[in-house]
This record gives sequence, C-alpha cells and structure tokens, in this order.
Amino acid sequence: EVQLVESGGGSVQPGGSLRLSCTASGFTVGSYWVNWVRQAPGTGLVWVSRINGDGSSTGYADSVRGRFTISRDNAKNTVYLLMNSLGAEDTAVYYCARDFYYFGLDVWGQGTTVTVSS
Amino acid sequence: QSVLTQPPSVSAAPGQKVTISCSGSSSNIGNNHVSWYQQIPGTAPKLLIYDNSKRLSGIPDRFSGSKSGTSATLGITGLQTGDEADYYCGTWDSSLSAGVFGGGTKLTVL
Repeated sequence: EVQLVESGGGSVQPGGSLRLSCTASGFTVGSYWVNWVRQAPGTGLVWVSRINGDGSSTGYADSVRGRFTISRDNAKNTVYLLMNSLGAEDTAVYYCARDFYYFGLDVWGQGTTVTVSS
Repeated sequence: QSVLTQPPSVSAAPGQKVTISCSGSSSNIGNNHVSWYQQIPGTAPKLLIYDNSKRLSGIPDRFSGSKSGTSATLGITGLQTGDEADYYCGTWDSSLSAGVFGGGTKLTVL
C-alpha cells in the first residue's frame, strides 16, 4: 500500500525546536517532490515547504524561511522538517504529501500535531 | 488572507449540482496547474482533481474541474450527504515560488 506516515510532533515551548519525519512505504520517495502542508485549528491548508527527489532543490513559505529546514534521506525513504524558533503561530497539524503532477498532491500522511505553548 | 479566493460556504439539496469557484492571478492559476482537494474534518485532505480537470483514479465522474484564465471551478453533480466536507483549490505561485491554497469552501448537503 502506498502511504506516508508522519511522526515527531508534540508540545514544545516558544523558541523551541522539533524535527518531523515523513516516512514512505509502497513507493520510492526519491522519485517525487514531497511537500509539507500545515493546518492550524479551525483554519485552512497552508503550504510550508517542499523538496525535490534528490534533495538539490527546496522551497519555503515566507513565514518559515530561515527557521525551518527540509531535508531527505532516500536510503530511509524519509523526508524531514526541522523546525527551529517555534512560536504560537506554528501550532498546527503538519501533513506531508507526495507531489505526483505539478502540485497535484496525491498521497497524504495522517498528520502530526505540533503545539507551541508555554 | 489566502492568495486564492474561494466562497466560504455553498449548499444544495441531495441530488442537485453545486459549483465552487477559485479565483487567483496570472502568477498562480493563470499559468499553473490547479488541483482540488476534499477534506472531511479530522482527516487528511484527499486529491480529487489535478491538472485543472483530470480526476484522480477512483474519483467518481460526479466530480469535475475546469479552468478559464485566472479562475478555476470544481463541480459536483448528484450530491450525496457523504460529499459534505471542506473543499480546497491549490496551485503553485510562480511569483511567490510557493504553493498556495484557497481558504476552503464548506459544502453542506441540505
């Protein structure tokens, strides 16, 4: 079965860090761009970051650039999102999603919850 | 404030048809591929339409997508109570070099 599974979410104090993982099964993650999308409680989807198949190209939303770093380990079939200097505005469910056709995100993980609070 | 503009809500009776609009600009919808997602609260989004009008395998033909200029539309015919969900349009924005989504439209099947 083709699927993505996120992990690494949790509660953290403002200014803290977390590293999210997105592990693929049923397909080779290195053949696809992978995106992170977040959704704050009661609000809509917001694109966060993406990385290409070999990790040579990345992109970030303005709201996270300089604080978040996306990376991948194709040997582990996993994409990561390192989040530093977290603030309350980063509280959300974080989804990873496979891009199979020009921002057609066809496989999504179940989401992992990040809560930033003192 | 989302880059792509969707109506907050739409409603229709079972069996009827509804359309959801998504308005953008030349830097996003006008020159990139639009996708549509269905999200039932508490679950992950599900891709319905990609490349403006192509249905993902397994998506009923009750769902359709179209694009004209800087706007896109999702159509759903033969509405069912199971279609009640939030619907989002999405695309790439070449000026922002970022993915963008609409604010979402809540569909109520009365």
